[in-house]
Amino acid sequence: QVQLQESGPGLVKPSQTLSLTCTVSGDSINSRSYYWSWIRQPAGKGLEWIGRIRASGATNYNPSLKSRGTISADTSKNQFSLTLTSVTAADTAVYYCTRDFWSGNYYYYMDVWGKGTPVTVSS
Amino acid sequence: DIQMTQSPSSLSASVGDRVTITCQASQDISHYLNWYQQRPGEAPKLLIYDTSSLEAGVSSRFSGTGSGTDFTLTITSLQPEDFATYYCQQYDNVPITFGQGTRLDIK
Repeated sequence: QVQLQESGPGLVKPSQTLSLTCTVSGDSINSRSYYWSWIRQPAGKGLEWIGRIRASGATNYNPSLKSRGTISADTSKNQFSLTLTSVTAADTAVYYCTRDFWSGNYYYYMDVWGKGTPVTVSS
Repeated sequence: DIQMTQSPSSLSASVGDRVTITCQASQDISHYLNWYQQRPGEAPKLLIYDTSSLEAGVSSRFSGTGSGTDFTLTITSLQPEDFATYYCQQYDNVPITFGQGTRLDIK
């Protein structure tokens, strides 16, 4: 059974850098069939896709982050991470990591989600 | 970015009812659409992928149709566990985008 677990500080000060890690068990982040994404959800609001990484190391990001986000992977630990710089209160949200199945040219969906980790940006 | 607009934003229904949620894309996304369910305090869960394919283990009371810009999620014979928020999501283009959600409440 594949499981994803987010970890990181629950409180970050404005203008600082947020770092979150997703630990994957039951699957390898080297698998060619998957992307690995970060998604966030402010309290009471909808879902925002932050970005993704795949086994090759290729990444894609949401332009809404204005280049503040970086996603990286540590294959030796079977983890992938999100770094978000210059955070503001607008970055306060629950952050989810997901496994995204990709068939190559037809299917793409988030089939496994972590439970989410809440992050508050406040001084 | 492709904008996804769901309607209604909220909906009240009774156990046993049939409900339909619509999702409209700001441009043609072919069949590249998924639906997720999110119960309060939980992570979203995949229901339907590729417009109409039911994820393994998901009740057949859920079904999806559509193509191009207009899509629907239908739930028949509502059960208590179905009262949740539903999101559509397009994957035709990056950035991947979600609808704003439809909250389904018990009447």
